[in-house]
Amino acid sequence: EAGVVQSPRYKIIEKKQPVAFWCNPISGHNTLYWYRQNLGQGPELLIRYENEEAVDDSQLPKDRFSAERLKGVDSTLKIQPAELGDSAVYLCASSLGGAVYEQYFGPGTRLTVT
Amino acid sequence: AQTVTQSQPEMSVQEAETVTLSCTYDTSENNYYLFWYKQPPSRQMILVIRQEAYKQQNATENRFSVNFQKAAKSFSLKISDSQLGDTAMYFCAFSHHNAGNMLTFGGGTRLMVKP
Repeated sequence: EAGVVQSPRYKIIEKKQPVAFWCNPISGHNTLYWYRQNLGQGPELLIRYENEEAVDDSQLPKDRFSAERLKGVDSTLKIQPAELGDSAVYLCASSLGGAVYEQYFGPGTRLTVT
Repeated sequence: AQTVTQSQPEMSVQEAETVTLSCTYDTSENNYYLFWYKQPPSRQMILVIRQEAYKQQNATENRFSVNFQKAAKSFSLKISDSQLGDTAMYFCAFSHHNAGNMLTFGGGTRLMVKP
């Protein structure tokens, strides 16, 4: 079974430029999460989807971040414009839903903003 | 809001020996789940072990076991017979239904297994 797929794996951009990250969850997983992991820290949730609905986006900086999950499968996270402080690893995870279920993580996208 | 604290930023252990990683958390919830995730260098995060708060018995997975002390809000991970492949960042995490099942992570402990 294929795991969570993310692309690109690495991205370097200049500040004020836009950037987008893509995630393909495990087939059948209706819940999708985007986390941000700063260097040397644990991941922090940005947004959670149940199917195509964003049910928790309270930690998403909405002035510059946006996300979508079309048809309840793939998801895209966008930053526009990027700032130096956005440098981090962006992790996508998926699960069957429910606190008891394991979240499966993708390899992440390491973003460097210069 | 829930918080998860890992007080050991770095630890090391000799191969084949046993090491214990500490984790404490704070919550007002009664039914919740606790996890230990492993993140090897430049590799993706994987689940090591899971504990359901309503279960008194400590979870075990091969060389990995936990010491869950609900009253003390403590959830430590014991790794027995440490192997070089255990070298990684270890994150303690918490989730419960009322928070949308999101994971709240601790700051992590970097474990180095020495040959």
